[in-house]
Amino acid sequence: DAGVIQSPRHEVTEMGQEVTLRCKPISGHDYLFWYRQTMMRGLELLIYFNNNVPIDDSGMPEDRFSAKMPNASFSTLKIQPSEPRDSAVYFCASSKTGGPRETQYFGPGTRLLVL
Amino acid sequence: DQQVKQNSPSLSVQEGRISILNCDYTNSMFDYFLWYKKYPAEGPTFLISISSIKDKNEDGRFTVFLNKSAKHLSLHIVPSQPGDSAVYFCAARRNQGAQKLVFGQGTRLTINP
Repeated sequence: DAGVIQSPRHEVTEMGQEVTLRCKPISGHDYLFWYRQTMMRGLELLIYFNNNVPIDDSGMPEDRFSAKMPNASFSTLKIQPSEPRDSAVYFCASSKTGGPRETQYFGPGTRLLVL
Repeated sequence: DQQVKQNSPSLSVQEGRISILNCDYTNSMFDYFLWYKKYPAEGPTFLISISSIKDKNEDGRFTVFLNKSAKHLSLHIVPSQPGDSAVYFCAARRNQGAQKLVFGQGTRLTINP
């Protein structure tokens, strides 16, 4: 059973460029989360979806960030334009209502470096 | 406003000894707490959890203790093994917002042979 899949695993881009991160959640999971990991703040929740609908985007840092979930098996996180302070590891996670402890299952992350 | 805090960025422990990782929270509405473990280049994986109606939960070498009055929880690993070297994240959630987790900054645990 495949876990959460994220692509790309690494992304290096220049300031001002658009960056798109992709996520495929575990089949059958109805929640999808986007997190950002930094040394200073640890794991921050950016946004999460339930049944493809955004529920809470209060963690999205600013309008340069946007996320979509067009269907149950795909989500994107877009940064436009990117800035050096966006450099971090971005994780996607999914969970299932009523699943074991309703724990979240994380993907391997996308390491983003903005020069 | 960091609602979940792990004040020790790193911890080094001798193999075979006990590792104790600490976590403090500020939101009294949190009623379920989790620990995740993360290896380099991988995503965090669930380790152990505890409900606020309990003060202890044990799973093999891992035990989580919850002190609600102090808003403090700890993870004990005994005996510590080299494979336990990882970053450990504490997380909390409110029953009302059941799926949303608030994570701490993480503690890097190193087990020395």
